[in-house]
Amino acid sequence: EVQLVESGGGLVQPGGSLRLSCAASGFTFSSYSMNWVRQAPGKGLEWVSYISSSSSTIYYADSVKGRFTISRDNAKNSLYLQMNSLRDEDTAVYYCARDQYPPRKGMDVWGQGTTVTVSS
Amino acid sequence: SYVLTQPPSVSVAPGQTARITCGGNNIGSKSVHWYQQKPGQAPVLVVYDDSDRPSGIPERFSGSNSGNTATLTISRVEAGDEADYYCQVWDSSSDHRVVFGGGTKLTVL
Repeated sequence: EVQLVESGGGLVQPGGSLRLSCAASGFTFSSYSMNWVRQAPGKGLEWVSYISSSSSTIYYADSVKGRFTISRDNAKNSLYLQMNSLRDEDTAVYYCARDQYPPRKGMDVWGQGTTVTVSS
Repeated sequence: SYVLTQPPSVSVAPGQTARITCGGNNIGSKSVHWYQQKPGQAPVLVVYDDSDRPSGIPERFSGSNSGNTATLTISRVEAGDEADYYCQVWDSSSDHRVVFGGGTKLTVL
C-alpha cells in the first residue's frame, strides 16, 4: 500500500524549532518529487516547500523562506522539514504530499498530517 | 505573485451538476489540478492537467480550462461529494511556486 506518515508535530513556543518527518512506503520514494503543504485551523491549503527526487531542485513559499529547510533521505525513504524561528502564524496541520510522475502534475498521495501549534 | 480565485461556496441539489470555477490571469496557459477535502481528512486529487482523472476517481468528475477560468464539473452530484474543493497550479512566471486557490465549499442540498 502506498503510504505517507508524518510525525514530529507538537506544541512549541514562538521562536522555537521543530523538525517534521514523513515516512514513505509502498513506492519507489527516490523517483518522486515531494511537497510539504499546510493548513491553518479553519483555513485553506497553503503550499510550503518542494524538493525534487534527487534534491537538486528546492523551492519555498515566501512565508517560510529563510526559516524552513526541506530535505530528504532516499536511503531511508524519508522527507523532512526543519522549521526554525517559528511564529504564531505557522500553526497548522502539515501534510507531506507526493508529486505525480512526471512532476508538477498534481499531488496524488498525501499523509494524514501532523499538527504544529506555535504558542506561548 | 499569481492568484487563484474561487467562489467560497456552491450549492447544488442531489442529481444535479455542480460547477466550481477557478479564476487566474491567463490560467488557460497553465495546467490546473483539483483536490477534494472532506472534514478531518487529507486532500484527494480528483482532476489533474485540467481534465485528467486519477485512477479510482469517478467519471462524474471532469475539468476544463480556457482563458482566465478553469472549471471543475461534478455531474449527478451525490451527498458524498459534499466537501471543500481546491484548484492548484505551478507558477513558474517569476519565482517557482505552487499556488492553491482559496477553496470552495460544495454543499449538497
